[in-house]
Amino acid sequence: DVKVTQSSRYLVKRTGEKVFLECVQDMDHENMFWYRQDPGLGLRLIYFSYDVKMKEKGDIPEGYSVSREKKERFSLILESASTNQTSMYLCASSQQGENSPLHFGNGTRLTVT
Amino acid sequence: AQKVTQAQTEISVVEKEDVTLDCVYETRDTTYYLFWYKQPPSGELVFLIRRNSFDEQNEISGRYSWNFQKSTSSFNFTITASQVVDSAVYFCALSEGLQGAQKLVFGQGTRLTINP
Repeated sequence: DVKVTQSSRYLVKRTGEKVFLECVQDMDHENMFWYRQDPGLGLRLIYFSYDVKMKEKGDIPEGYSVSREKKERFSLILESASTNQTSMYLCASSQQGENSPLHFGNGTRLTVT
Repeated sequence: AQKVTQAQTEISVVEKEDVTLDCVYETRDTTYYLFWYKQPPSGELVFLIRRNSFDEQNEISGRYSWNFQKSTSSFNFTITASQVVDSAVYFCALSEGLQGAQKLVFGQGTRLTINP
């Protein structure tokens, strides 16, 4: 089974802090994604990556950046955390091509105070 | 632009009842995929089904069935004889095109509660 692991289940940070959310997958998937989930809004795509060192903006990239130095790892970075970034963050991965299903991690619930 | 609408925010039924979750989508593309995911209380979204725009056959998997109708741009999900373990948030999603890393657009989700 594909395993997508997010390093933290719960995280509390202060406004202005730099925050790193880590995600690792073990199935050699080319594609990786970061979504945020908010009540009433569903999941919204922040950034995604087709390959190592490649990144593409999703629908809501403002205030975020990403890093993919290795194929299995995709990091989401909040340069200066703000309270409106309090949310559930979900990482996912998939194989290249033919709209392969996404495999999700358990999520990181981030609270910015 | 792509859009997925799940008009039912919350549904609550008694165990063994049948329940249908609605999904309506918008896309300008003729080639697209539709998905359903389940998010149990543990938080991890679980893939349930994928359908491409060329295949309008309905699908049945055990107690689950999906009704895809291009004429109404709908991809509804029915659970027959519901069970408490079916309680979860269910998401419908859409992606366009055939190749590459698909960018899924998700609906708002429907929280389904099955009461014993």
